[in-house]
Amino acid sequence: KAGVTQTPRYLIKTRGQQVTLSCSPISGHRSVSWYQQTPGQGLQFLFEYFSETQRNKGNFPGRFSGRQFSNSRSEMNVSTLELGDSALYLCASSPDGDSSPLHFGNGTRLTVT
Amino acid sequence: QKEVEQNSGPLSVPEGAIASLNCTYSDRVSQSFFWYRQYSGKSPELIMSIYSNGDKEDGRFTAQLNKASQYVSLLIRDSQPSDSATYLCAVKTGTSYGKLTFGQGTILTVHP
Repeated sequence: KAGVTQTPRYLIKTRGQQVTLSCSPISGHRSVSWYQQTPGQGLQFLFEYFSETQRNKGNFPGRFSGRQFSNSRSEMNVSTLELGDSALYLCASSPDGDSSPLHFGNGTRLTVT
Repeated sequence: QKEVEQNSGPLSVPEGAIASLNCTYSDRVSQSFFWYRQYSGKSPELIMSIYSNGDKEDGRFTAQLNKASQYVSLLIRDSQPSDSATYLCAVKTGTSYGKLTFGQGTILTVHP
């Protein structure tokens, strides 16, 4: 069974630009969550989608948004990039987003200059 | 008080020894508990999940949960150099869909 696939693996952007990250969950998994990982803050929850609906959201500004498609694939968008947005962005999938463990993709390393 | 706290590291053990990783959490309604391993430059990888009080064993790994004490631990027996990584404790509370609260991680080094 293929794991969670994230593209691209690396991105370099300039302040003020926007970026879109993509995630394909494990086949059969309908819940997709997004996390930001930085050395200072660790792993922080961004949001969760299930059946194309955002069910949960973390404490991030509105510049961070996402969506989910009917095939459960998800995208995350960050607008008006700031230097502090430099991080590893991780997508995780699970069958239901409830008690089942999350399985993480390899992540997208975003560098904002 | 942090929601999920792990024992401060780094932790260094000799090859073949038992490594003990500890985690406490603050929210009493937490229901699901996970241990992830993260190698440098890689993404977190699920090692164990535990939902009820007691021990759960999987190969060289044993997770222990004590909800009354709000404590979860991971024991790694016969530690190998390949176990050297950061270990993350993660807790899920109630019906907070897709959200795990992670500890800051404990860096484990197993030296030959």
